[in-house]
Amino acid sequence: QVQLQQSGPGLVKPSQTLSLTCAISGDSVSSNSATWNWIRQSPSRGLEWLGRTYYRSQWYNDYAISVRSRITINPDTSKNQFSLQLNSVTPEDTALYYCARLFTGTTSFDPWGQGTLVTVSS
Amino acid sequence: DIQMTQSPSSLSASVGDRVTITCRTSQSINNYLNWYQQRPGKAPELLIYTTSSLQSGVPSRFSGSGSGTDFTLTISSLQPEDFATYYCQQSHSTSFTFGPGTKVDIK
Repeated sequence: QVQLQQSGPGLVKPSQTLSLTCAISGDSVSSNSATWNWIRQSPSRGLEWLGRTYYRSQWYNDYAISVRSRITINPDTSKNQFSLQLNSVTPEDTALYYCARLFTGTTSFDPWGQGTLVTVSS
Repeated sequence: DIQMTQSPSSLSASVGDRVTITCRTSQSINNYLNWYQQRPGKAPELLIYTTSSLQSGVPSRFSGSGSGTDFTLTISSLQPEDFATYYCQQSHSTSFTFGPGTKVDIK
């Protein structure tokens, strides 16, 4: 059974960098049949896909246009996890952040991490 | 990005009722349409993938149908644990998008 465990701070100051980590158990970040995603949820924007990392003989990333200039998602094969960094945050980045696996066999997000509420405030 | 709409945005129903939620996409998505359930304080959970395939462990009272740009989630007989918010999501385009959600509460 695949499980995702998120960690990271819940409070970030404006203009600083939001950093979260998602630890994977029951699968590999290097899997050829999965992609590893970050999604956020807020009352104003609903559920918003932010980006993904995946391995297909080499590492690839895709990012949402809305955050492309500020986001980095990195795999860490030594710890079997992946991370999110979002730079230059503003209060509009306040949201519940989730990591999630997209299994290519079903092209759907399952499972999801437990979620991390990140508040951007001074 | 592919735009998603859902209707209704909320509904009130009783245990045992048949419930239907509709999702519409701004362009054809070749049946790459998924449904999720989110209970308060919890992460979304996958119910249905690629329009009509039931995720393992999900009760058979949930079903999905549709094609092109119009899709439906049906709960045949609403149970107390089904009161939640339901989201559709498309995987046709890499820039994945979600519907705004349909909240199902107790009448």
